[in-house]
Order: sequence, then structure tokens, then C-alpha cells
Amino acid sequence: EIVLTQSPGTLSLSPGERATLSCRASQSVSSSYLAWYQQKPGQAPRLLIYGASSRATGIPDRFSGSGSGTDFTLTISRLEPEDFAVYYCQQYGSSPPVFTFGPGTKVDIK
Amino acid sequence: QVQLVQSGAEVKKPGASVKVSCKASGYTFTSYDINWVRQATGQGLEWMGWMNPNSGNTGYAQKFQGRVTMTRNTSISTAYMELSSLRSEDTAVYYCARRQWLAHDAFDIWGQGTMVTVSS
Repeated sequence: EIVLTQSPGTLSLSPGERATLSCRASQSVSSSYLAWYQQKPGQAPRLLIYGASSRATGIPDRFSGSGSGTDFTLTISRLEPEDFAVYYCQQYGSSPPVFTFGPGTKVDIK
Repeated sequence: QVQLVQSGAEVKKPGASVKVSCKASGYTFTSYDINWVRQATGQGLEWMGWMNPNSGNTGYAQKFQGRVTMTRNTSISTAYMELSSLRSEDTAVYYCARRQWLAHDAFDIWGQGTMVTVSS
């Protein structure tokens, strides 16, 4: 079973700063099946990035994803006040079909 | 608009079962798998399993095998997740989510969540 590790656990930044979040897999993951979600308190998660680098519908271009193999990155180029939230990476393995989430990175206001 | 609307909060005693519903609207229910994800308070997301509403085929995370059952009623575009032999550790918010094959199987639409509390 693939285990996802996210770092840092918490990222304290100011609005306007750049955020770089890491997701590392215990074994190689298909880039096609690596996604990122944003979750705010009391809300359901929201899909940000799929296929490691494709933005979901309606997601601003300050969000970008990259990476391959075992190392993936979510970058928020300039933090807006509404971006302070918890971010999860997720991978999908097809044999058997299994989805795994990372433990999350909290981006909070410095 | 495309949405998933879940049933309301539940309080159950240890050993009981709970059945959460997830009603789809705004799209063809049978065209996309429904997945279930849970989240204990202050914790991360935990995938529980999937169901194909067209065929009724299911797949469950190993942790929940034997305790979870996912079903559907296509006539009312509703998916269900039943968890049995509840224990306090099952206290969590349970989400249904649509698996979007156009988005490389990511979960593009989520229900609002259903709080399940297990307490004696």
C-alpha cells in the first residue's frame, strides 16, 4: 500500500507570500492519478489539482501543481486571505482500486 | 447545478449500524462512481470505498471490509453507505464524493458531510 507523506505539517505565511507544499509517496505514483484538495473549517474538501498539474474548473491560476514519481508539489504563487486552509494530496492506485490521502498541510496566517 | 446532498446527523450507540444517504442531482447519476470518505474531528481524510451506481459494483478499503456496505437506488439517484458494529472510533464526518473520470479519477463534487456520533 502506498503511503503519502506531506510536509511541512504547518506552514505559517503572510498574504502575498508564496507557499510551497510537498507530497511524497512511499513508492512511485502515476502522475495521472495525483490530486490536491483544499479544505476550510466546516467545509467539504474542494478539488484543486488533478493529474499532478491540471487545475480543476474554476481554480485560480495562482495554484499550480508539479512533480512525478514519488515527489509532488503544490505551489500557491501569492497567498490570498481565502487560501489559508488545509491541503491534502491524494493518489489513486488501480490494482486493486484504492485511494490514499496524505495527512495534510495546514497553511495558516503568520 | 451539480450537487450531492447528504442526510442529516446521526447519533448511534456502540454496536449499532448507521446508514447515510447521498442524493445526486444535476448530472446522470449512473455515469460516475460514488466514493465515501470520512474525517474524524481534527483529523485527516480517510477513504472508505467506492460504488459504481450503474452496475452496483463496489470496492472497499481493507480497514472497512466486512463492516461497510455501499448500495444505491437509481430511481431516486441516491447512494447509501451503511457501517455496522459501530464503535466510538467511528465518530466522524462522512462524505460522499463523485469520482470524475475526466479529471483522472479525482473527486470533483463532494456532499456537505454527515456527522455520525457513536456514544453510549
